Amino acid sequence: DQQVKQNSPSLSVQEGRISILNCDYTNSMFDYFLWYKKYPAEGPTFLISISSIKDKNEDGRFTVFLNKSAKHLSLHIVPSQPGDSAVYFCAARDMEYGNKLVFGAGTILRVKS
Amino acid sequence: DTGVSQDPRHKITKRGQNVTFRCDPISEHNRLYWYRQTLGQGPEFLTYFQNEAQLEKSRLLSDRFSAERPKGSFSTLEIQRTEQGDSAMYLCASSQGQPSGNTIYFGEGSWLTVV
Repeated sequence: DQQVKQNSPSLSVQEGRISILNCDYTNSMFDYFLWYKKYPAEGPTFLISISSIKDKNEDGRFTVFLNKSAKHLSLHIVPSQPGDSAVYFCAARDMEYGNKLVFGAGTILRVKS
Repeated sequence: DTGVSQDPRHKITKRGQNVTFRCDPISEHNRLYWYRQTLGQGPEFLTYFQNEAQLEKSRLLSDRFSAERPKGSFSTLEIQRTEQGDSAMYLCASSQGQPSGNTIYFGEGSWLTVV
């Protein structure tokens, strides 16, 4: 039972354009959402997060949008840079289980120069 | 370096052998987590400590797996009688307690290959 789904296995974007990565979830008990970036053979690096009481959080080139009614969140990267090429994981915290995170399967982002 | 530290980074072992991984969390983080990641999947939760107490274990954590966090500092994850299906990246992470501990920070991971 996949509670967090990233339906696009990969995304290719031209440098300077916007990258939009999507994530859907099913569990209404999720209260906090995070995006992580991962390079091969390294651990995930925290990127940006959003509480379930907000609908938008922005940090530099990264913005996360949350649509609770649709159980959908998205990560916008603008402008995209070649160094952004990595795997991006969406994660959700289950408030019933402390800080345990449930991850999606990831989306590979390739930014072409 | 004040991040989460894991050791060893890579381990190749023969099936049936025991392996142990160590994790040093960010100092003053009282929560410590172990996750496992296989190719093409996101990290999967294994277990979680608050200080020295192991508060939750996933059903993924068979009886061949044991984790400890003596004195609430570093943690070890031991896998006994390794099987080829145990090959994965084992990730350690840490966070502060509530209310400020919403973000979980991961280490570089320990790659396990069982041959």
